[in-house]
Amino acid sequence: ETGVTQSPTHLIKTRGQQVTLRCSSQSGHNTVSWYQQALGQGPQFIFQYYREEENGRGNFPPRFSGLQFPNYSSELNVNALELDDSALYLCASSLGAGGYTGELFFGEGSRLTVL
Amino acid sequence: AQKITQTQPGMFVQEKEAVTLDCTYDTSDPSYGLFWYKQPSSGEMIFLIYQGSYDQQNATEGRYSLNFQKARKSANLVISASQLGDSAMYFCAMREGSGNTGKLIFGQGTTLQVKP
Repeated sequence: ETGVTQSPTHLIKTRGQQVTLRCSSQSGHNTVSWYQQALGQGPQFIFQYYREEENGRGNFPPRFSGLQFPNYSSELNVNALELDDSALYLCASSLGAGGYTGELFFGEGSRLTVL
Repeated sequence: AQKITQTQPGMFVQEKEAVTLDCTYDTSDPSYGLFWYKQPSSGEMIFLIYQGSYDQQNATEGRYSLNFQKARKSANLVISASQLGDSAMYFCAMREGSGNTGKLIFGQGTTLQVKP
């Protein structure tokens, strides 16, 4: 069973630039969620995609956007980067229907540094 | 108001001993789920254990058990027979509602260090 993989693992951008982070979900999972984890904090929910549609969003501005593809992989795009966007970005996949716990399976994250 | 509170920023435990990590939560939804995740330095969040709000018995998974006290709104994680590999950050999280949404609300975390 293939787990959740994310790329790139580390990247450095400057203020005002745009970034795209990628996620391949676990085999058979049709729901992808993205989280932002600032240093020393717990992860915060950005949004969720289910069957290629955004299906829930946290308190993040529109410059955070995403896509989900037919194979259930996903992208997180952040425009007009700000210094506070520096964080670990975690992708998690799960089954959108069925399954008792609906537990989330996380990747190792993409660490973004904005200078 | 914080929905998930973990009051212990850091904890130490001797190898082979048991340790309890505290978690309290706040929700008005009668249906919710509580999770514990482990995050080693690699960054990956590893699922440990789950407790549903209607579950009658406390959840157990190997060396992990969840001390669920609904009236007190607490969901403490108990790790028995600690191992050096248990050293990591531990997060308590909650899902509100009965659906399988991917939105979890996380606490601030507790750093656990296991001493040899």
